[in-house]
Amino acid sequence: AQSVAQPEDQVNVAEGNPLTVKCTYSVSGNPYLFWYVQYPNRGLQFLLKYITGDNLVKGSYGFEAEFNKSQTSFHLKKPSALVSDSALYFCAVRDIGTGRRALTFGSGTRLQVQP
Amino acid sequence: DAEITQSPRHKITETGRQVTLACHQTWNHNNMFWYRQDLGHGLRLIHYSYGVQDTNKGEVSDGYSVSRSNTEDLPLTLESAASSQTSVYFCASSVASEVDTQYFGPGTRLTVL
Repeated sequence: AQSVAQPEDQVNVAEGNPLTVKCTYSVSGNPYLFWYVQYPNRGLQFLLKYITGDNLVKGSYGFEAEFNKSQTSFHLKKPSALVSDSALYFCAVRDIGTGRRALTFGSGTRLQVQP
Repeated sequence: DAEITQSPRHKITETGRQVTLACHQTWNHNNMFWYRQDLGHGLRLIHYSYGVQDTNKGEVSDGYSVSRSNTEDLPLTLESAASSQTSVYFCASSVASEVDTQYFGPGTRLTVL
């Protein structure tokens, strides 16, 4: 079975400071990993994904994520936070080779960037 | 532009009524999914389809059904609505394979009184 944990319900950061949103996963094989962002009263928007290759993945709006196989983590990062980054962030995983195309999501982390 | 739409965006119904939520995508994607979003649970998979006439149960499928008669649509039906089904429902689609990104609709907020 595949699962995702986002250990922080909320992350607070000052504008201009670096931000990290944590994600750990569990799969039986190798993972495909995704980050999505949700703004109020909107659907989820794709940010970035890790399939294979370079462990540092760059995505939309200046976000990046680092895949760490030994720690089974896929933390989302941004060097300098903006107030407009305030939103709900979801990590998701898919287990490679199972044929399953649906995603398993974490419970979400609310990012609050203070001016 | 191609897109994925959901209707209605908001729905209030009574316990025991049948409710159908619509999902329509114009990307010609093979895969379509229904999730529900509840506080503290993230998104949980209800049903999914890999193509026309194909439907499968997800982890929280009890009380829900879907049908796929064409590529564009995957309606979600609540057979007899219960208060526990008050939630925000999201439809998503992806091209075909397991590596493809899922794209989400704007959501339907359903309240069951």
